Amino acid sequence: DQQVKQNSPSLSVQEGRISILNCDYTNSMFDYFLWYKKYPAEGPTFLISISSIKDKNEDGRFTVFLNKSAKHLSLHIVPSQPGDSAVYFCAASAVASGTYKYIFGTGTRLKVLA
Amino acid sequence: NAGVMQNPRHLVRRRGQEARLRCSPMKGHSHVYWYRQLPEEGLKFMVYLQKENIIDESGMPKERFSAEFPKEGPSILRIQQVVRGDSAAYFCASSLSGTGFPREETQYFGPGTRLLVL
Repeated sequence: DQQVKQNSPSLSVQEGRISILNCDYTNSMFDYFLWYKKYPAEGPTFLISISSIKDKNEDGRFTVFLNKSAKHLSLHIVPSQPGDSAVYFCAASAVASGTYKYIFGTGTRLKVLA
Repeated sequence: NAGVMQNPRHLVRRRGQEARLRCSPMKGHSHVYWYRQLPEEGLKFMVYLQKENIIDESGMPKERFSAEFPKEGPSILRIQQVVRGDSAAYFCASSLSGTGFPREETQYFGPGTRLLVL
């Protein structure tokens, strides 16, 4: 049972435009959500996170939106740059219930075209 | 480099041999997590450890796999009698504390160990 889903395996965006990556989850106990970026042959790099008490968190070009009623989160990258080309993973955990392990989606490969 | 360190970066073993993967957490972090990524898949949780304690091993295969985080030294993920299906990237992550405050639980990942079983 895939509790965290990224339904788009790939996305291509023109440089300077907005990239929107989506993630859906099924477990209502999840209360902490994160996005990681991963280059080939490297480990995931933490990008941005959001707690379930918020619906938006912004850090520079990166904004994460959380819609708890829809069990949906999204990552917006504005403006997109060629260096953003990587695989993006969303992850979720249920911290308040003492479960610190992360459940990851299967990733979306973003390609930013120059 | 104050990040999470993993070694070796690449490990080749023949079927039936043992694989030992090492992880040193970020400075000041006392919680270690191991994840496995099979080709074309996401990362799957294996085990969560604190110093000298296994907290959650719900993702560990029941046989051949073990993990430890001793009082001194790195965390070790040990795979005995490896099989071809063990070929994967193994990632270690660390976090600051177990206070329950989400931001302090953010996990930072190492570069991974790529295990190839021939």
